[in-house]
Amino acid sequence: EAQVTQNPRYLITVTGKKLTVTCSQNMNHEYMSWYRQDPGLGLRQIYYSMNVEVTDKGDVPEGYKVSRKEKRNFPLILESPSPNQTSLYFCASSSLQGATGELFFGEGSRLTVL
Amino acid sequence: TQLLEQSPQFLSIQEGENLTVYCNSSSVFSSLQWYRQEPGEGPVLLVTVVTGGEVKKLKRLTFQFGDARKDSSLHITAAQTGDTGLYLCAGFMNRDDKIIFGKGTRLHILP
Repeated sequence: EAQVTQNPRYLITVTGKKLTVTCSQNMNHEYMSWYRQDPGLGLRQIYYSMNVEVTDKGDVPEGYKVSRKEKRNFPLILESPSPNQTSLYFCASSSLQGATGELFFGEGSRLTVL
Repeated sequence: TQLLEQSPQFLSIQEGENLTVYCNSSSVFSSLQWYRQEPGEGPVLLVTVVTGGEVKKLKRLTFQFGDARKDSSLHITAAQTGDTGLYLCAGFMNRDDKIIFGKGTRLHILP
C-alpha cells in the first residue's frame, strides 16, 4: 500500500531535549516536505526537499533541521525544542512538485513541548 | 505576500442543503488543488484544476477555477454527514516552485 509513515504519532517532551520525527515514503517520490498545522494559521511549510541531498527552507524553518540522505526518508530534527514548537506536524511527498503534483500526507505527529 | 483566503472559516448546515466555499487570492496560480482532512488524518487530495475557467465534478462536489486563475470555489450539492471535515485549498506557483495552503474551511454537516 502506497503510504507516508510518520513516527511518533504522539510525543510529549520537555524544552531543550533533542528529538527527531521520522518520515518514510514507499512511492519512490522525489519531493518531500514538512508542514506544521496550528489553529488559525493553517498548514505552514517548514522545509522541503526536491531530491536526495537537496533541501530548502520553507516559510517557518527556524528551530528545525532536516536531512535527505535517502530518497525514501526525510527526518525532521528539533535540536532544542521550545514550547512554541508544540504543534501537529505533517510530512508529505509527491512524484512531481509541479502544476499537477498530488501531495500524499502522513497521518501526522502531535508534538507537545513542556 | 502570497495569500490564499478561504471563506467561510466555519460552516455548519443541515444534511441535504447545498453550500459553497471559496478560495481567493490576488496572485495568479498555475494550478489549484482542494484537499479534505478528517480528524486524526492527513489531508487527502480531492481535485486539481489547471485551466482558467475549468470546472470539475466529483459526484456531488463541483470545483471551479476562476478565469484569471486567482480564485476557486467548491460547491457541494445535497450535503451528507460524510462530507464533514476540513477543506483546504492549495495554490501552486510555477515561478518559485511553491505550494501555498489556505487556512481551511471547517465544514460540519448536521444529521
